[in-house]
Amino acid sequence: KAGVTQTPRYLIKTRGQQVTLSCSPISGHRSVSWYQQTPGQGLQFLFEYFSETQRNKGNFPGRFSGRQFSNSRSEMNVSTLELGDSALYLCASSPPQGNTEAFFGQGTRLTVV
Amino acid sequence: AQSVTQLGSHVSVSEGALVLLRCNYSSSVPPYLFWYVQYPNQGLQLLLKYTSAATLVKGINGFEAEFKKSETSFHLTKPSAHMSDAAEYFCAVSPFGAAGNKLTFGGGTRVLVKP
Repeated sequence: KAGVTQTPRYLIKTRGQQVTLSCSPISGHRSVSWYQQTPGQGLQFLFEYFSETQRNKGNFPGRFSGRQFSNSRSEMNVSTLELGDSALYLCASSPPQGNTEAFFGQGTRLTVV
Repeated sequence: AQSVTQLGSHVSVSEGALVLLRCNYSSSVPPYLFWYVQYPNQGLQLLLKYTSAATLVKGINGFEAEFKKSETSFHLTKPSAHMSDAAEYFCAVSPFGAAGNKLTFGGGTRVLVKP
């Protein structure tokens, strides 16, 4: 069974630009969550999508948004990039049952210059 | 709101020695608890999870953790460290009975294994 796939693995963007990251979950998983990992703030929950609907949301500004498609693939978008958005963005998918483990992808390393 | 505290951001152990990583949680009801490991430039891999069944949980790679409600703790141990255990370890909680999958992570503990 293929794992969670995130693309691209690395990305360099300029301040003010926008970026879209992609996540393909494990087959059969309908829940996709996104996390931001930085040295200063650690791992922080961004949002979760289930059946194309946002089910949970973290405390991030509106510049961070996401969506999920009918095949459960998810994208997250960050608009008007700031230097502080430089981070490893991790996507995780979970089986249909709630509160089970999350399976993480390898992440997308975003650098804002 | 739930929170997780990992005592010690860095731990150094000798190969063959006991590994003990501490995790305490704050929650009005016992949550689901997880330990994840992260190797450099990788995502997170689940080591083990507690979901209100047995309080002593065995995971992969020889790790285990014990849930102690009275101490609100979920410490991770491994009897004998191996060089391949050098990584960063994260404790995480998820609200019991809540819809969805939302993990709150501790700050992480980086483990260095000395030969």
